[in-house]
Amino acid sequence: GAVVSQHPSRVICKSGTSVKIECRSLDFQATTMFWYRQFPKQSLMLMATSNEGSKATYEQGVEKDKFLINHASLTLSTLTVTSAHPEDSSFYICSARFTGDVTEAFFGQGTRLTVV
Amino acid sequence: QKEVEQDPGPLSVPEGAIVSLNCTYSNSAFQYFMWYRQYSRKGPELLMYTYSSGNKEDGRFTAQVDKSSKYISLFIRDSQPSDSATYLCAMSEPGNQFYFGTGTSLTVIP
Repeated sequence: GAVVSQHPSRVICKSGTSVKIECRSLDFQATTMFWYRQFPKQSLMLMATSNEGSKATYEQGVEKDKFLINHASLTLSTLTVTSAHPEDSSFYICSARFTGDVTEAFFGQGTRLTVV
Repeated sequence: QKEVEQDPGPLSVPEGAIVSLNCTYSNSAFQYFMWYRQYSRKGPELLMYTYSSGNKEDGRFTAQVDKSSKYISLFIRDSQPSDSATYLCAMSEPGNQFYFGTGTSLTVIP
């Protein structure tokens, strides 16, 4: 299957700082990338949908000024958690869809964020 | 009512058993149906995807979609301890976002 690389896999940061998470599609072009948050023993919660070259569409209840998403190219999307708080600690996962394809999505390995 | 319902389990079976995992959904416009496997602290890995109704088989895994009942299943034959993971169903309308089940935690006991 296609490869989506997410980096870093784990990060610990201090309250008030910002953290950037990268999501790259390594062997295909992705017009659309999705960012999810997952709490322990719960399913994936969609945070935002990001289309290359345009502003991300955020789900209700997700603060767009806190979770900045940039999809600058067909192979790279970034999520920046700004002014992080301990309650932002979570597992963040990106996924990407093939350009022109509306079927499968492939997921990154996930990033475990801990805010201390 | 949630878009997708999935029994969270946990489900525990002996090695070699046949495992049946299921999801129900409410949106009749869903056309794409997927099963993902997620190991602890890892991102979901696509196992199977099916378009519309019918069956699809890949090795020990069989995915079934019954659109008339709004019910999908994943069967695992000859289950192995390495199959122990959380299994997530997901579905979408063409071009739209995915809706995920809560995931079923499976443990295969040697």
